[in-house]
Amino acid sequence: AQTVTQSQPEMSVQEAETVTLSCTYDTSESDYYLFWYKQPPSRQMILVIRQEAYKQQNATENRFSVNFQKAAKSFSLKISDSQLGDAAMYFCAYRSVPGTYKYIFGTGTRLKVLA
Amino acid sequence: EAGVTQFPSHSVIEKGQTVTLRCDPISGHDNLYWYRRVMGKEIKFLLHFVKESKQDESGMPNNRFLAERTGGTYSTLKVQPAELEDSGVYFCASSQWDRGETQYFGPGTRLLVL
Repeated sequence: AQTVTQSQPEMSVQEAETVTLSCTYDTSESDYYLFWYKQPPSRQMILVIRQEAYKQQNATENRFSVNFQKAAKSFSLKISDSQLGDAAMYFCAYRSVPGTYKYIFGTGTRLKVLA
Repeated sequence: EAGVTQFPSHSVIEKGQTVTLRCDPISGHDNLYWYRRVMGKEIKFLLHFVKESKQDESGMPNNRFLAERTGGTYSTLKVQPAELEDSGVYFCASSQWDRGETQYFGPGTRLLVL
């Protein structure tokens, strides 16, 4: 069975600095999707970035980028020029391509942004 | 376009009572999912509807949980009778039917069973 591990329960970053959130996963599948979702306090989860396993190029969305290392089964999220609005819980998620569409989530990392 | 909505936002009930959670997906989304997060733990999948049919209910904890999606629109998740360990945040998500689907999440219902 697939598993997702987020080893950092909490992280802090100074405003305007860069922070990296880690995520590792375990799977025997070769084709899958990986996601980073953000949940601000008292608000709903929104997609930050998505990576398709068959694409070698790392996904980027403005200040957010990932470092996808397929062989190492690692999927870290880098946030550049951190802003106060980036403060949230960040969840890493895995989804198989064939078969079930369910997400498998990590336990989340709470990111604090310090002014 | 309205997002995924869930009702109620919070519910506090006594052990043994019944609670019904509702989810309205994004209009046109055939796929609807329920997830649950128990305090401090990962978000866990409960089940997946495609229109009104249950595609995957492998995550349902036991037969005290009943999910329905009448007419392929909104869905309800009923817990009867509720136990203390059912406390947590219940999330609903929806998606269109395509290979690279992204799931759109609702704000969640925070359930506390006393």
